[in-house]
Amino acid sequence: DQQVKQNSPSLSVQEGRISILNCDYTNSMFDYFLWYKKYPAEGPTFLISISSIKDKNEDGRFTVFLNKSAKHLSLHIVPSQPGDSAVYFCAASAGGWGKLQFGAGTQVVVTP
Amino acid sequence: GAVVSQHPSRVICKSGTSVKIECRSLDFQATTMFWYRQFPKQSLMLMATSNEGSKATYEQGVEKDKFLINHASLTLSTLTVTSAHPEDSSFYICSARDPRGETNEKLFFGSGTQLSVL
Repeated sequence: DQQVKQNSPSLSVQEGRISILNCDYTNSMFDYFLWYKKYPAEGPTFLISISSIKDKNEDGRFTVFLNKSAKHLSLHIVPSQPGDSAVYFCAASAGGWGKLQFGAGTQVVVTP
Repeated sequence: GAVVSQHPSRVICKSGTSVKIECRSLDFQATTMFWYRQFPKQSLMLMATSNEGSKATYEQGVEKDKFLINHASLTLSTLTVTSAHPEDSSFYICSARDPRGETNEKLFFGSGTQLSVL
């Protein structure tokens, strides 16, 4: 049973524009959410996180929004840069060190 | 640089043979490591939690006799796929928890191993 879903397998965005990646979850016990970035032939690397006590967390060009009532979170990248081209995974856990449940990932391509 | 090293990155083997994958934490001692499996266009699925000095904890549906996990030291966990079959072909990835952190922000991943069983 997929508890974390990323329904868009791919996203193409022009350099300088905003990238918006979406993620939905079903388990109401999840209270910690993370986004990971993955380049080919490398492991996922942590990008940004948010706990359920917040609805927004910002780190430079990256902002994560959490809508608990809708069980939905999104990652905004602005402005998008060519180096942002990668696969982005959404993950959720119950507790900060809880087991991570991953979405299937969204392939982002930033075009010049 | 990478803080978790995983080897090999790719392995091709014949059906019936066993394959060992190593996962090493380079910058910290990891009492807890995790093993995941990913099929194409699907999410990373947790297979098991590897605890240093004790038996691994397997997720439901994962055969512990097929996927042997050994965490003999604080920096090394190994996954052995025994008597591999074509359906075991997949991408396997490990992660290690840095105990100096408090959340999964300090969970570091290896680069993965693509296993192909002929």
